[in-house]
Order: sequence, then C-alpha cells, then structure tokens
Amino acid sequence: EDQVTQSPEALRLQEGESSSLNCSYTVSGLRGLFWYRQDPGKGPEFLFTLYSAGEEKEKERLKATLTKKESFLHITAPKPEDSATYLCAVQAKASGGSYIPTFGRGTSLIVHP
Amino acid sequence: DVKVTQSSRYLVKRTGEKVFLECVQDMDHENMFWYRQDPGLGLRLIYFSYDVKMKEKGDIPEGYSVSREKKERFSLILESASTNQTSMYLCASSLYTSTGGPYGYTFGSGTRLTVV
Repeated sequence: EDQVTQSPEALRLQEGESSSLNCSYTVSGLRGLFWYRQDPGKGPEFLFTLYSAGEEKEKERLKATLTKKESFLHITAPKPEDSATYLCAVQAKASGGSYIPTFGRGTSLIVHP
Repeated sequence: DVKVTQSSRYLVKRTGEKVFLECVQDMDHENMFWYRQDPGLGLRLIYFSYDVKMKEKGDIPEGYSVSREKKERFSLILESASTNQTSMYLCASSLYTSTGGPYGYTFGSGTRLTVV
C-alpha cells in the first residue's frame, strides 16, 4: 500500500527564518510527486510536480526537491503570506488501471512577522 | 487558467435531505474527482470519473453517488444526508494520465456542508 508521511505536522517560523518541510513516501514505481498549498477554507492550489529523483523546481521563495524516498519543500526567507498548509501527494504506477494519487496529511506553516 | 467552480461555498441541510453538490470545470479535463476533507483525516476520495457517464468508487463511497452527464460537470449526491457527512467537500479536475504527465489537480474552492 502506498504511504505518504509529512513532517512536521505544524511549523512556526519567524519572518526570514528559512526551513524545510518533509514528505517521505513508500510507493511501488513513482510516476510523480505533487506539492500543493492550501489556505484556510479554500481548496488546495497546485505548486509543483516532480517526476524523478534529483529533479528540482522553484517558485518564488519555494524550492521542491526529490530523492528516491522523500521530497523536501524548502522555504527561503519566508513571509507571513507564506502561511498555509502544504500538502504532498504521490502518484504511483497503475494497479488495475488506477492512477489516483495518495495524499499526505499536510504541514501547517505559520510565519510570524 | 483552469477554473473549477463549485456551486456553493456554504450549505446547511437537514438530516435525511437529498443534497446535490455541483462542480463545473472549463478546461476540457477528462478526469474529475470528489474529495472530502476533515481535520486529522486529510483528503479522502469519494468518487472519480475518467469520462462522461463513467464513474469509479474511491475510498469512502458509502452514502454518496455521482453523476457525470457532460464532460465539464460532475455532481455529488448525498442520498440521505446524515450528521457524519458534515465536512468540507472538494471537487478537482485533471488531464487524463495516458496523454502524459501525471498532471496535478486543479481544485475548486470547496463547499462546507453542515448537516443538522
């Protein structure tokens, strides 16, 4: 069974204090790993897709990296507007025709001014 | 930008009512999904659809049904609403995986349903 574990569950940072969120996974044949941002009371917003180990993607203060066992979402010099829950999801090779991703439970990030 | 529109942001329904949640996407995506999201449980897949008139059960289909009569519209139906169906409901769409990718989902803003 595919598993996705995100850590920490919650993270509080001061503005400008860089840190990383972790997403570890166990899947048979990774096809893609996704990162989403979710603001309170809203639907998740797609950030990145990573397809293979060694790949990196960047967007403003966010940088996602991928290894064979985990992905990191690095946040450089965060601002209060980066406060949100960050979700990770993995999509493995099809089993019985299913390509449904498995979601982690998220990391709640709060950035204090 | 792809838009996924859910018909209601907030709904309050009575126990036993039949409830319809509507979702429309405007980018010709083949795949559409319904999730519910509860604190501590994360996102749980209710139903999904790869094509018009096609539906597949997700992890928690009991008490729900779906309808996809047109490619752009995917409806979630609560046959007889119960208090344990109080939740945030999220619709999502994506391109079909066999065309490349996999592709990330585009989510709607969600419908917060309260059953009293």
